[in-house]
Amino acid sequence: DVKVTQSSRYLVKRTGEKVFLECVQDMDHENMFWYRQDPGLGLRLIYFSYDVKMKEKGDIPEGYSVSREKKERFSLILESASTNQTSMYLCASSFPAAGTGELFFGEGSRLTVL
Amino acid sequence: RKEVEQDPGPFNVPEGATVAFNCTYSNSASQSFFWYRQDCRKEPKLLMSVYSSGNEDGRFTAQLNRASQYISLLIRDSKLSDSATYLCVVTEKGGSYIPTFGRGTSLIVHP
Repeated sequence: DVKVTQSSRYLVKRTGEKVFLECVQDMDHENMFWYRQDPGLGLRLIYFSYDVKMKEKGDIPEGYSVSREKKERFSLILESASTNQTSMYLCASSFPAAGTGELFFGEGSRLTVL
Repeated sequence: RKEVEQDPGPFNVPEGATVAFNCTYSNSASQSFFWYRQDCRKEPKLLMSVYSSGNEDGRFTAQLNRASQYISLLIRDSKLSDSATYLCVVTEKGGSYIPTFGRGTSLIVHP
């Protein structure tokens, strides 16, 4: 079975803290994505990556950065967390590179910023 | 960004009912279409892909109308376990194959 693992299911951080959300997939997928999901707003794309060391901005990249040093790992970084970044964060991966394949999601990381 | 629109619902139906969801998309060059299901506090999972010829999987039927740019999902003989949020997903054709999600339609099936 394809597995996408997000390092933390629940996090509570303080305003201004640096936050790392880790995502690892075990199916050698080229594509990886970070979304946030908020009530009434659906899933919004933050960043995505189609290859190692490659990253592209999604719809709402402000306040976030990403890192993909290895194919299986895609990290989301909040340089200075703010309360409006309280949300559910979902990582996903897919294959093939054309992007027409099924997205596999991790279980999500629910972040609360106080 | 190109839009994918869904009626948020909730659709509240009795067991055994037939229910249909629609989804419209704005980019005529969109290439791939999917329905995902998301249970409460869980991650989305693929329900089915949507093909131009229409496709059926048990009680679920998905249809694509490219001319009118909409996708539909029909659920027959609804079960309590069908209660979930159904997400329409459209992938654009072009240099970046980015999946775009609708905001989801909530379905509640009651006894």
